[in-house]
Amino acid sequence: SQKIEQNSEALNIQEGKTATLTCNYTNYSPAYLQWYRQDPGRGPVFLLLIRENEKEKRKERLKVTFDTTLKQSLFHITASQPADSATYLCALALGGTASKLTFGTGTRLQVTL
Amino acid sequence: NAGVMQNPRHLVRRRGQEARLRCSPMKGHSHVYWYRQLPEEGLKFMVYLQKENIIDESGMPKERFSAEFPKEGPSILRIQQVVRGDSAAYFCASSPNGANEKLFFGSGTQLSVL
Repeated sequence: SQKIEQNSEALNIQEGKTATLTCNYTNYSPAYLQWYRQDPGRGPVFLLLIRENEKEKRKERLKVTFDTTLKQSLFHITASQPADSATYLCALALGGTASKLTFGTGTRLQVTL
Repeated sequence: NAGVMQNPRHLVRRRGQEARLRCSPMKGHSHVYWYRQLPEEGLKFMVYLQKENIIDESGMPKERFSAEFPKEGPSILRIQQVVRGDSAAYFCASSPNGANEKLFFGSGTQLSVL
């Protein structure tokens, strides 16, 4: 069966360090992969999209890698700040329509001073 | 430019009542998606609509759930004869077209069934 796995345990890191979150998937051949941020009581907010033919994508302090051989995406936040504390969701799309977005359960990141 | 608006934010219903959740997409967006999120679970796709059309309802339960997106007015997710298992956060998202990959989400409606 198809499965998306994100580390369910919270990730605690110190301010200024790089946070690395993992998204693994099985039995998918996604056209692209997205990362969203979700704060408590709020809806997800889009952060980055990376396509199957791209290895890496950057946006300010964020970096995403996509390895279709390992079936894994890594999401990095450099120089992390307490304001980065949130739950981060990865989502996969099959084909070209957003209607087929399948989300992982998310990893909660806690950045401490 | 207002974002995706959902109301109510919180909805309490007793078993057997009807729940109506409303979603107004971002201005200029004609595609609406509904997702459900249970505690400790990921967002689950329910239905994808365009104005006056249901495009994909593969995630909708076969009974009691329905959705519409009329020509005028917000999209409505309707749950009839609610049961405790319907308690969840329901999120609406919109996009300007069906090929657009990025979704804009509302803040959700938290449905509690007593």
